[in-house]
Parts: sequence; structure tokens; C-alpha cells
Amino acid sequence: EAQVTQNPRYLITVTGKKLTVTCSQNMNHEYMSWYRQDPGLGLRQIYYSMNVEVTDKGDVPEGYKVSRKEKRNFPLILESPSPNQTSLYFCASSLSAPQETQYFGPGTRLLVL
Amino acid sequence: GQQLNQSPQSMFIQEGEDVSMNCTSSSIFNTWLWYKQDPGEGPVLLIALYKAGELTSNGRLTAQFGITRKDSFLNISASIPSDVGIYFCAGQLSGNQFYFGTGTSLTVIP
Repeated sequence: EAQVTQNPRYLITVTGKKLTVTCSQNMNHEYMSWYRQDPGLGLRQIYYSMNVEVTDKGDVPEGYKVSRKEKRNFPLILESPSPNQTSLYFCASSLSAPQETQYFGPGTRLLVL
Repeated sequence: GQQLNQSPQSMFIQEGEDVSMNCTSSSIFNTWLWYKQDPGEGPVLLIALYKAGELTSNGRLTAQFGITRKDSFLNISASIPSDVGIYFCAGQLSGNQFYFGTGTSLTVIP
């Protein structure tokens, strides 16, 4: 089954404790992206990747890192999480560009205390 | 960051009614897309628009890419209970960054 998977689905952590949210797709997609969703603000793009070893900042990249060592995986790293990073995070992928159909993962709900 | 303003923010309608929502921006977009998000899930693409003036339908849904390339609207005809959810417009500027609107929450009363 074609899908985007994210882990963990729920995470409670404390300020400053490094964490990684994994994202994997099995559709051989080139484009992958991370978004955060906050009430009243819609989804905002954090980082995106056009292909392996190619990553770029989105609208709200501060406090986040990403890597794209393999085509299928696009982990999101919070080196030193802060409470304002409490949010719902979505990973998405599309064949080659964002304006094509993006397939979204189920979301990761993060609470930073 | 780029702002895509959606209106209305929320709608409560009777089953069978038509729905209209729109999205505006101060910037010119190359692509407009409309997504729907069900509770607890990620957004799912409904309609994609690639040319100014383009009018596209998907079942009971119709969307248009504004002539100025700064706006788009989505219509849903004869709403049904499963139309409930949050509808997002989204768009791409000249690069590969992607922007979502603030969302329209739709409630359909049976």
C-alpha cells in the first residue's frame, strides 16, 4: 500500500531534549516536505527536499533540522525543543514537485513542556 | 511568511445547501490547490489548478483559479454530512516553497 508513515504519532518531551520525528514514503517520490499545523494558522512549511541531499528552508525553519540521505526517508530533528514548538507535524511527499498531489502522513502530535 | 487568507473561517450549513469559500493573497501564485482534512488525519488533495482562469470540477466540487492569480474559490454543491472537515487552499509561488491557507472549517447539519 502506497503511504507516508511518521513516528512517533504522539510525543511528550521537555525543553532542550533533542528529538527526531521520522518520515518514510514507499512511493519513490522525489519531493518531501515537513509542515506544522497550529490553530488559526493552517499548515506552514518547515523544510522541503527536492531529492536526495537537496534540502531547503520553508516558511518557518527556525529550530528545526532535516536530512535526506535516502530517497524514502526525511527525518525532522529538533535539537533543543522549546514550548513554542508544541504543534501537530505532518510529513508529505509528491512525485517531483509540490504542486503535484502531495500525500500526507498521519501526523505527529508533539508537546514540549 | 506568505499569507493566504481564507474566508469564511468557519461555516455551519444545512445538508443539501451549497457552500462557497475563497482564498486570497497579496502575491501572484503559479498553482492553486484545494485540500480537505478530516479529523485526526492529514490533508487530502481535492482539486489542482494550474492556469489563470481555469475552472475545474471534481464531482460536487468546483474550483477556479482567479484571473489575477491572487485568488481562488471552491464551491461544494448539495452538501452531505461527509463533507464535514477543514478545507485548505494552498499554492506555490515561483520557487518550490508551498503555502497553505488558514483553513475553513465546515460543519454540515443533517
